[in-house]
This record gives sequence, C-alpha cells and structure tokens, in this order.
Amino acid sequence: DQQVKQNSPSLSVQEGRISILNCDYTNSMFDYFLWYKKYPAEGPTFLISISSIKDKNEDGRFTVFLNKSAKHLSLHIVPSQPGDSAVYFCAASLPNDYKLSFGAGTTVTVRA
Amino acid sequence: ETGVTQSPTHLIKTRGQQVTLRCSSQSGHNTVSWYQQALGQGPQFIFQYYREEENGRGNFPPRFSGLQFPNYSSELNVNALELDDSALYLCASSRGTGTYGYTFGSGTRLTVV
Repeated sequence: DQQVKQNSPSLSVQEGRISILNCDYTNSMFDYFLWYKKYPAEGPTFLISISSIKDKNEDGRFTVFLNKSAKHLSLHIVPSQPGDSAVYFCAASLPNDYKLSFGAGTTVTVRA
Repeated sequence: ETGVTQSPTHLIKTRGQQVTLRCSSQSGHNTVSWYQQALGQGPQFIFQYYREEENGRGNFPPRFSGLQFPNYSSELNVNALELDDSALYLCASSRGTGTYGYTFGSGTRLTVV
C-alpha cells in the first residue's frame, strides 16, 4: 500500500528557473515529512524537512510547503542549478515512529 | 566523522542462495535501519535494530533477518534468494530510534539470477 506518492517520475527545468516537485500522501496521521536527494551510486542525503505543525520551511534555495487538508507537499528549488540534477524522494513518518515511507522519486534534470 | 559504509557495493547471487550484507554505522549513531529499493521504486523499510535487538519490521518475510553488534554495526541476511530480491539495499544509521537524523549509506546492489 503506497501511502506516499510522487506522480511525476521526471522533471526537466532550465538553469536559473524554479523546480517544483510534488508529493501526495494518504495517511492523515503522518506528522513529519522529509525530502531526500540521491545521486547515482550514492545513498539518499537529507535535504529539508517539515513538521505537520508548520506549513512552510525554508533553507537557502529550498522551500517545502505542506498543505495538510489536501495531504500534499511540494519542494521548490529556486534558482535551479546543474548540481541539482538528481532523484528527489519525498518521505513521511508517523508520530514517534521508527520508519520512513517513501515515494517512488522524481528525477530532476537541470538544463544549461 | 565517519559516515555510513556498506559492503559489498555490488554482488550477484543465484536463486536459492543466501547472502549477507554489512553496514557500519556513523560515529555516534546507535541505531541501524535497512531499506530495500527496487528498480523504479522508493526505499521500502525492512527492519530496524537498536541495542542489538530488532525494534520494528516492515512487510518482509522471515527469510530476511538481521543482526546488530555491540559496536552498532549491522548485517542483513537473506535466505533462499528469489529473483524479486534483486534491488539496492540501503542501510541508514541514526542517533536513537526516531526518523530524525537518518544518514544513509551508498547501498549494496544485489542481483539475483
């Protein structure tokens, strides 16, 4: 049962423009959401997170927005840079849980 | 600070065989979680080890088993390998059993033929 879904398998964006990655979830009990970035032959690296008590969290070029009523979160990357080309995973966890539920990932390609 | 290291990086096994994958946790981390990432999918939680005991388990059969050692390193064992076990196996270490502060290793690519 896929509780976290990333419906866009890929995204191509021009350097300098905004990248918007979307993620939907079905379990309204999730209270902690994360985005990971993964390069080929490397493990996922933590990018940014948000707690369900917030609707926005910003870290440099990366901003995550959470819409609890729609069970939707998004990651904005502004401006996009060539080094941002990677697979991005959305993940979520339940309160005090030990495991993450991941989406299938979105491959971002930043064009020069 | 040493990160999470996994070995081997790649291996090929025959259906029915057994395999052991290894993970050294990051310095200061006492918990290890294992995930399976099949092609085109996100990582799926297998189990977590804390204080040398299994702390939680995902929807994986008993032929997936693990160990954690006093130095917090861990092994994932898979018996009676099936073709569908072909995947990238990721280990993540953390300080405590929550999902905050996971650090992933680069993974072991297992191919079952």
